[in-house]
Amino acid sequence: DAGVIQSPRHEVTEMGQEVTLRCKPISGHNSLFWYRQTMMRGLELLIYFNNNVPIDDSGMPEDRFSAKMPNASFSTLKIQPSEPRDSAVYFCASSLEAGRYEQYFGPGTRLTVT
Amino acid sequence: AQSVAQPEDQVNVAEGNPLTVKCTYSVSGNPYLFWYVQYPNRGLQFLLKYITGDNLVKGSYGFEAEFNKSQTSFHLKKPSALVSDSALYFCAVRDRGQNFVFGPGTRLSVLP
Repeated sequence: DAGVIQSPRHEVTEMGQEVTLRCKPISGHNSLFWYRQTMMRGLELLIYFNNNVPIDDSGMPEDRFSAKMPNASFSTLKIQPSEPRDSAVYFCASSLEAGRYEQYFGPGTRLTVT
Repeated sequence: AQSVAQPEDQVNVAEGNPLTVKCTYSVSGNPYLFWYVQYPNRGLQFLLKYITGDNLVKGSYGFEAEFNKSQTSFHLKKPSALVSDSALYFCAVRDRGQNFVFGPGTRLSVLP
């Protein structure tokens, strides 16, 4: 298996632009997680899905952030409009079931908003 | 609500010496406990987990961890550190429901 796939790996954009991050989880996994990592705030859970349904989005910073999972093999995290403080590494992870099973992380998307 | 503490931001150890990275937790009921490692510019990688049974669990790269219910701890250990073990280590805890949390991370530096 190729593992969790994220695209793009790097994104540089200007403030105010829309940014879409993409994730393909490991086949057969039914839980998917979006995280953000910065030096200041560490690793933050933004949202997670079970069987394509959002379970906990309390970590989504504000209405500028939205996430979707239209099917079991694809998810997006969208920021509109982007701001410099959104600059971070965004990770997607998946697991068999959001409980006793470990999460597998993608390589991350490094987002820079200028 | 569940929580995880990693009391040391940084741990330094000489190569060949034993290492310990500490983790304590708070959760309702019996926990699921995990350790992950992050190398520079990479995503987190799973090392080991405690679900039930034997309190001493063994994982990847020679790491092990001991679940101590009375002390609510799950410290990560390795008998002999390698320079290549230098990385950021995260402890995570999950309750038997849908709630989980990662610790703030501990940076391990193994000095040659």
